[in-house]
Amino acid sequence: QKEVEQNSGPLSVPEGAIASLNCTYSDRVSQSFFWYRQYSGKSPELIMSIYSNGDKEDGRFTAQLNKASQYVSLLIRDSQPSDSATYLCAVQNNAGNMLTFGGGTRLMVKP
Amino acid sequence: EADIYQTPRYLVIGTGKKITLECSQTMGHDKMYWYQQDPGMELHLIHYSYGVNSTEKGDLSSESTVSRIRTEHFPLTLESARPSHTSQYLCASRQMGQGAQETQYFGPGTRLLVL
Repeated sequence: QKEVEQNSGPLSVPEGAIASLNCTYSDRVSQSFFWYRQYSGKSPELIMSIYSNGDKEDGRFTAQLNKASQYVSLLIRDSQPSDSATYLCAVQNNAGNMLTFGGGTRLMVKP
Repeated sequence: EADIYQTPRYLVIGTGKKITLECSQTMGHDKMYWYQQDPGMELHLIHYSYGVNSTEKGDLSSESTVSRIRTEHFPLTLESARPSHTSQYLCASRQMGQGAQETQYFGPGTRLLVL
């Protein structure tokens, strides 16, 4: 079992819809979680970080964390074609010195 | 905005050549990382460093080597390039801390093609 699991997709949503991206992790003591967006041929860029159970909102993005279920998700409201990218979930290891990345979910927003 | 730089951005080179991919950051971060990523595929950690004179191999076996003589500089070297080394190489850095201080930043990447 991978330490950080994501559905590879592609996840296809129509423009204006809510895109829901999911991630599960295996290390129960993980405390810090990150979502990165990576456009094709580019490097990952940080979208959201979340450390506490519950929701964290930033503009059209909402990160959700449930440590009991070892589950973190990213919601993108009012999806735009420019949101089409691969979204990487990253979990900080117990020692706090390394991020473990999931394989990424490819999102396609269709006009 | 991340202040992490990689050169060259693109490199086409012949088999057997020695190459060094440069990575530097001006944020004073202790921790630096090299990842290898093929198109549409996962990130693979190949090297990391927790500070000056500290280097470790990552999860993915790599024929490359790294050095960390200065905090801001973390170059990656391939002694003899082969076509199997063709990939994108991403450098990243982060600082231990709380909250936003933990953020890991990526450089723009180097796309390597070995003929």
